Amino acid sequence: GAGVSQSPSNKVTEKGKDVELRCDPISGHTALYWYRQRLGQGLEFLIYFQGNSAPDKSGLPSDRFSAERTGESVSTLTIQRTQQEDSAVYLCASSLAGPGYTFGSGTRLTVV
Amino acid sequence: KQEVTQIPAALSVPEGENLVLNCSFTDSAIYNLQWFRQDPGKGLTSLLLIQSSQREQTSGRLNASLDKSSGRSTLYIAASQPGDSATYLCAVDAGGSARQLTFGSGTQLTVLP
Repeated sequence: GAGVSQSPSNKVTEKGKDVELRCDPISGHTALYWYRQRLGQGLEFLIYFQGNSAPDKSGLPSDRFSAERTGESVSTLTIQRTQQEDSAVYLCASSLAGPGYTFGSGTRLTVV
Repeated sequence: KQEVTQIPAALSVPEGENLVLNCSFTDSAIYNLQWFRQDPGKGLTSLLLIQSSQREQTSGRLNASLDKSSGRSTLYIAASQPGDSATYLCAVDAGGSARQLTFGSGTQLTVLP
């Protein structure tokens, strides 16, 4: 597609439920990133996929967070047993192997 | 661990003024530095990317400079307009196998008509 697409744009969930967030990167972009932005704060790195290499999961805050990517296409970020502190905007970005990133519009997650 | 700081946190200026946003980083071993714009409720729009070997990049009314040795970058906005109102984020890419951006907390800019 023309840009990075994320769905849903907004998600309200009850504490303790699982949620799944989706990211469709730009076609041909080998690298895909997930970031989290809490209210009033900067972006925190979560996870990075590069082609078929093992993902860099160093930013995942707990084992309730996981992400998958099929080849160089769609990625899903799953949060299990959501907590109120998980409320944030989750942003996905993709890039070619070189510099420069294109971000999606994000998924605003609210845990009530 | 790389840390990125942006000053000021918020800035309000009258339309037409030239302004400078500041970004500093603690580890000078960077691959590139990127400035983004974020509008409320939206994702990030890339404004300028400066490679580690470059000193500055220009796009329209925007000019970004990089002084890697001192760990500083500035974003200069000429003849500011109300449409420039947004949060401006600076991000550093360390390169290598761990390709991730370290972001500052941003400068929230308001340009008053």
